[in-house]
Parts: sequence; structure tokens; C-alpha cells
Amino acid sequence: QVQLVESGGGVVQPGGSLRLSCAASGFTFSSYGMHWVRQAPGKGLEWVAFIRYDGSNKYYADSVKGRFTISRDNSKNTLYLQMNSLRAEDTAVYYCAKNKGGNSFCGDYWGQGTLVTVSS
Amino acid sequence: SYELTQPPSVSVSPGQTARITCSGDALPKQYAYWYQQKPGQAPVLVIYKDSERPSGIPERFSGSSSGTTVTLTISGVQAEDEADYYCQSADSSGTYPHVVFGGGTKLTVL
Repeated sequence: QVQLVESGGGVVQPGGSLRLSCAASGFTFSSYGMHWVRQAPGKGLEWVAFIRYDGSNKYYADSVKGRFTISRDNSKNTLYLQMNSLRAEDTAVYYCAKNKGGNSFCGDYWGQGTLVTVSS
Repeated sequence: SYELTQPPSVSVSPGQTARITCSGDALPKQYAYWYQQKPGQAPVLVIYKDSERPSGIPERFSGSSSGTTVTLTISGVQAEDEADYYCQSADSSGTYPHVVFGGGTKLTVL
């Protein structure tokens, strides 16, 4: 069965950096695009970034463009999110999600999330 | 920027039909997707490409589209359906596609 396990969350000071990882199993990771989506405490879902199956194209929300970098290592079945210049408003649970594929642009499987807290 | 608008809350009695709407200018051109999220849990995809149901999702969940509005319908609502529901679509009007979420609708089963 599909499993996505995020890690790397924690408490970081404003202006700091953090790298999140998402370990994938149960499907052919190298064949699917992947998303990062976040959810601030008590708030709704916010899309963060997407990477194509081969890493050839990456898309970002305006709120994180230039600060966050999505990447993947298909040999390790792992997705990453490098977060720099973190702000208080980046505090959220970060989920990775597998793109459904075909001509669908949505997450059909999600991890349980990892909490990032930006605070001094 | 492109927005999707949902009602903040919908209430329904068990066994009744719940309808949650989502409005957006690009919905006639872009597919809509629906997620269910229960407290403390990750979202679950319940409808994709406007009206398709993933395997394992009960038949009481259905989706439809009309113009700039898409609707998630839950027929014969059960207590376990109480959750937040989010619509999602894509915005291709810029230099590259973005994913857009609606603000979410809290479904209360009375």
C-alpha cells in the first residue's frame, strides 16, 4: 500500500532554515509528480510546491517562491523541501502528497504531516 | 490571484443530503477535486476530475459541475461524515500552473 512519511519538522528561529523529507513506498515513486501542502494551525490547506516525476519542472506558490526549494531523489524514493528565510507565517503542518497522475493535478495519497514552528 | 469560494459551514441531519458548493471563475476550464479532512488527520481525496470517485470512497459521495460552480453531494449523511471539506483546482493563468484550495467547509451532522 502507498505510504508517505514526512520528517524533519521542528522549531526554528525566524530567518532560519529547515529541510523536510518525505519517504515514499508502495508505488513507483519515479513515475509520479509530488506536492507539498501546508496547513497553519486552525486554518485551511495551502499548496506550497509541485515537482514533476523526473524533477524537470518545479512550481511554487507565490508565498514561498525564492525561499523554498522542492527536490527529489528517485534512487532513494524521497521528496524534499528546503525551506530558507523562514517566517512566523510559515508555521504549519507540512504534508507531502502523491499526484494522482494522468490529467489529474491533485493529491491522491497524503502523509500524516510534520509540524514546523517558526518562533524566537 | 485565482480564488475558490466555499461556504464556511453546512449543517445536516443524519440520513439527509448535504451539498457543499465551490465557486471559481476558472472552474469551467479546470477540473475540481474534493478532500475530506477529519480533526488531526491528513486530507483524503473523495472526488477527482469533478465527479470521479476514487476506489474505497463510499457511493454516497458524488460530485457535479455547472458553469463556475462545482458541488460535492453527500447522500444519506452519516455521523462519520462530519469533517472539513476542501475543494481544489488549478490555476493556469500565470506563467506556470498553481494548485488552489477553497477555504474549506465544516460539515456538521446534527
